[in-house]
Amino acid sequence: GAVVSQHPSRVICKSGTSVKIECRSLDFQATTMFWYRQFPKQSLMLMATSNEGSKATYEQGVEKDKFLINHASLTLSTLTVTSAHPEDSSFYICSARDPLTSGGYNEQFFGPGTRLTVL
Amino acid sequence: EDKVVQSPLSLVVHEGDTVTLNCSYEVTNFRSLLWYKQEKKAPTFLFMLTSSGIEKKSGRLSSILDKKELFSILNITATQTGDSAVYLCAVEKGGSEKLVFGKGTKLTVNP
Repeated sequence: GAVVSQHPSRVICKSGTSVKIECRSLDFQATTMFWYRQFPKQSLMLMATSNEGSKATYEQGVEKDKFLINHASLTLSTLTVTSAHPEDSSFYICSARDPLTSGGYNEQFFGPGTRLTVL
Repeated sequence: EDKVVQSPLSLVVHEGDTVTLNCSYEVTNFRSLLWYKQEKKAPTFLFMLTSSGIEKKSGRLSSILDKKELFSILNITATQTGDSAVYLCAVEKGGSEKLVFGKGTKLTVNP
C-alpha cells in the first residue's frame, strides 16, 4: 500500500510556542490530505482537509488561525499549531488517498502520527 | 448528525477464540465503510466495503456489510496475542472524502 510519513514523531514544547508537523506521501501524489487529532481512548476526529494549491477546509469548531495548514506540493502538507497550550496536547495524524489505486474510493493511508505534549 | 457506533467498546478473550466486532452507522450519503487496526501508532487499513452481502477476507479476518440494516461486522478467528489492538470502523460520505470514525473496539487477546 501507499506510504505516508510524518515528522516529528514526538514533540515537547513550551506553552506559547508554535509547532510544525509535516506529512508526506512517499510514493504517490496526494492532491488531498487530511489532518486528525486523537485524544487518549478516543477516536479520530477530523480537523481539516488539506487541498494542494488552495486553502484548507476546516471542520466545525476547529480554529483555522490556530491550526495553520499548508499544502504546498502534491507530496507535502504541514500543520502548524500556533501559540500552543497544554490543551493542544494530543496525537495528530495525517492521511492521504492515492487516487491511482483507490479506484475512486477513499482508501486512506495514515501516517504514523505525531505525539504533541505542551508543557 | 452522522454517527458511527461500535460495540463492544472493549473485549478480552483467550488465544484461539473467535470474536465478532460490530459497527452500525447513520451517515447521510453513504459511500463506503472501512475497517482499520490501530496499535500504538496510526491506523492500518484492513478492509473497504461498498456492497452489501459480499464478504471480504484476509487470512483470519473477514468482514461483511449490510447496507439495508446499516451495519458491518469484523470477524477474527483463531485469535492471537498479536491481534490485540483497537479496531476502528469508519464511514466515507459521498460527495466529500471525509471519514466519520467510530470510537473503536479495544480487543485484548490473552495467551
